[in-house]
Amino acid sequence: NAGVTQTPKFRILKIGQSMTLQCTQDMNHNYMYWYRQDPGMGLKLIYYSVGAGITDKGEVPNGYNVSRSTTEDFPLRLELAAPSQTSVYFCASNRRAGELFFGEGSRLTVL
Amino acid sequence: GQQLNQSPQSMFIQEGEDVSMNCTSSSIFNTWLWYKQDPGEGPVLLIALYKAGELTSNGRLTAQFGITRKDSFLNISASIPSDVGIYFCAGQLTGGGSNYKLTFGKGTLLTVNP
Repeated sequence: NAGVTQTPKFRILKIGQSMTLQCTQDMNHNYMYWYRQDPGMGLKLIYYSVGAGITDKGEVPNGYNVSRSTTEDFPLRLELAAPSQTSVYFCASNRRAGELFFGEGSRLTVL
Repeated sequence: GQQLNQSPQSMFIQEGEDVSMNCTSSSIFNTWLWYKQDPGEGPVLLIALYKAGELTSNGRLTAQFGITRKDSFLNISASIPSDVGIYFCAGQLTGGGSNYKLTFGKGTLLTVNP
């Protein structure tokens, strides 16, 4: 049972480049989330989804886009990368309430 | 929006000491969760609390859901080196009309000196 899988684990981007962080879960969870983690700042919610075809903004959505075409996949798209998007990104999922399962994280550096 | 105040921000203790950390909120939650994050990993759930006043243990860890539903604490007894990491509290509203998002504290960085 793989749980929540994120790729890539590490990536370096140049300012203005675009990329997609992939997230897949095999637990048949309806709810999926993207967080970013900056040192000393905890976890901030970027976007979330309550099911296939439904997405909504979290606290810090600017500069990001998401889609949810299937229950399993929830990719996060960065358009026109900026240094402020240097962070560690975590994808997570749960059924509805309670325990959130996290991926191992994707460390992104924008230079 | 909802905010969680987690304290302390960091702790440096000797192996064998007990540890206590807490979270307070300006609004109520009906679920409190405590996560631990090891370096280079994603957070992993330690304890979940679903009822006001609930006291739950998981090995050397004990957590309580405050009666007011606005606070929670986590205690670690007889700390060991592998307790090192960042501990996060999280609150969640469940029930009609809520969106089930978790609100996270900023974390407590625990360092254990062998």
